[in-house]
Amino acid sequence: GQNIDQPTEMTATEGAIVQINCTYQTSGFNGLFWYQQHAGEAPTFLSYNVLDGLEEKGRFSSFLSRSKGYSYLLLKELQMKDSASYLCAVREGGATNKLIFGTGTLLAVQP
Amino acid sequence: GAVVSQHPSWVICKSGTSVKIECRSLDFQATTMFWYRQFPKQSLMLMATSNEGSKATYEQGVEKDKFLINHASLTLSTLTVTSAHPEDSSFYICSASPPGQGTRPQHFGDGTRLSIL
Repeated sequence: GQNIDQPTEMTATEGAIVQINCTYQTSGFNGLFWYQQHAGEAPTFLSYNVLDGLEEKGRFSSFLSRSKGYSYLLLKELQMKDSASYLCAVREGGATNKLIFGTGTLLAVQP
Repeated sequence: GAVVSQHPSWVICKSGTSVKIECRSLDFQATTMFWYRQFPKQSLMLMATSNEGSKATYEQGVEKDKFLINHASLTLSTLTVTSAHPEDSSFYICSASPPGQGTRPQHFGDGTRLSIL
C-alpha cells in the first residue's frame, strides 16, 4: 500500500527554525515535493528532491533520504505568514507521474 | 510560469443537481491533468487522472459514474459531479504539468468549493 505520514500539527515561534518531517512508503518513487497551503487556497510549490541530500531555497530547505523513505522541510527565520499547512507529496513515476499527498502538517507561528 | 485556471471557484446547489467544474491550462498543453478532493482539515486525496483523448484513470474507491471526467482537448479537463448530495460537499482542485518537464512541479488551479444543500 501507500503511506505518507507527517505530524498533524506543530507550533513554533516567530524568528525560530522548524523542521517538518515526512516518511513515505510508496509503490514507486520519482521525486518528493513540498507544498504550502493556506486555508481555502490551492497549494503552492516550495521544493523538490529526487536525489538524496539537501536542497536550499532561501528560508526553505528540504532534505531527502531515499533509503530511509524520509524527508524533511526546514523553515528558517519564521514569519507569521508562514502559518499554513505543509504538504509532502511523492511522485510515483511510471506512465502517469501522479502525486500522492501526505497527511499534511498544520504549522502555527506564534509571536 | 505555467498557469492553471479552474472554474467556478464556488458552487452552492440543491441535492440531486449535477455540477461541472472546468480546469484549463492557460499557457501550456497538458496531456494529463489530475483531480483532487480535500475535506476540511485534511490533505489532498487524488481522485483520478484525466487523460486527453482517452478514459480517465480512477483511484480505488472513487465512483467513475459519480464523478465523470472528460479531457477533450490538450488544455481542458472537466469534472462533473452527477446527482450531487451533501456528502459530496468538498474542495475540488485540479492540477497539471507542462509536458516534457518530469522534474517540474504540478501547478494547481485555485480550487472549487462545492456546497450541496
